[in-house]
Amino acid sequence: QKEVEQDPGPLSVPEGAIVSLNCTYSNSAFQYFMWYRQYSRKGPELLMYTYSSGNKEDGRFTAQVDKSSKYISLFIRDSQPSDSATYLCAMSQTGANNLFFGTGTRLTVIP
Amino acid sequence: SAVISQKPSRDICQRGTSLTIQCQVDSQVTMMFWYRQQPGQSLTLIATANQGSEATYESGFVIDKFPISRPNLTFSTLTVSNMSPEDSSIYLCSVEDQGRNYGYTFGSGTRLTVV
Repeated sequence: QKEVEQDPGPLSVPEGAIVSLNCTYSNSAFQYFMWYRQYSRKGPELLMYTYSSGNKEDGRFTAQVDKSSKYISLFIRDSQPSDSATYLCAMSQTGANNLFFGTGTRLTVIP
Repeated sequence: SAVISQKPSRDICQRGTSLTIQCQVDSQVTMMFWYRQQPGQSLTLIATANQGSEATYESGFVIDKFPISRPNLTFSTLTVSNMSPEDSSIYLCSVEDQGRNYGYTFGSGTRLTVV
C-alpha cells in the first residue's frame, strides 16, 4: 500500500466551477499536509500547508485535513483557466524532511 | 522564497553514460534535497545533501548510482551514473522555504531521457 493515494484524474471542469481534490494516507504520524501546484515543465509550487487537523483558507483555495479519516482535501472556488495544472498533495512527519507525495491530479479548467 | 536555478533543463543521453545536474540557490541553505519524478509516479526523495558531510540516501537509492556533491551552502550537484532507460525521469532539487513557516521550494527540474 502506498503511503499517499491520490486520484490522478484527469479532471476537467468549466470555468467558475468548484473543484475538489483529495488524498488519503496511511501513516498516522503525518502532521504536516501540503498542496503543491505544478504547471507543465515547471517545478512544484507550494499552495497551502496545514499542520494537523482543520481547515485553512487562502483566497479561492481551502485546505481541509481530517486526521481521523486520514483524508485531506483542496477546494478551489471560482476556478479559472489559469488554475489548469497538476495538483500534488504532500505530507510529512514532525522533525522529518522527507515529503511523501501523491501522484498528482491533472486539472483542466475550460473557459 | 528562495529562487532555485537548475541545469540542464533537459537532456537526451546514451545508455551507459553519466549526467551531472546542477542546482544553484540564491541564498544559503543548510539542506538541499534531490527528488525524482518518474512518469505517472509520485515525487520520490533520492537524498538529502548537507554542506560538509556525506549525503543521506533514501531506501532504494545508492551513492554509486547517484553521487551528490555539496561544496557550499548555495550549490549542489546530482550525478546519474551508468544510465539506463529506466533512469528516464524528471530530477528536481529542493530547499526548505525560509520565507514561510513551513514548506519547500523546488527548482524547475531536469527532464532526462535515456536512449
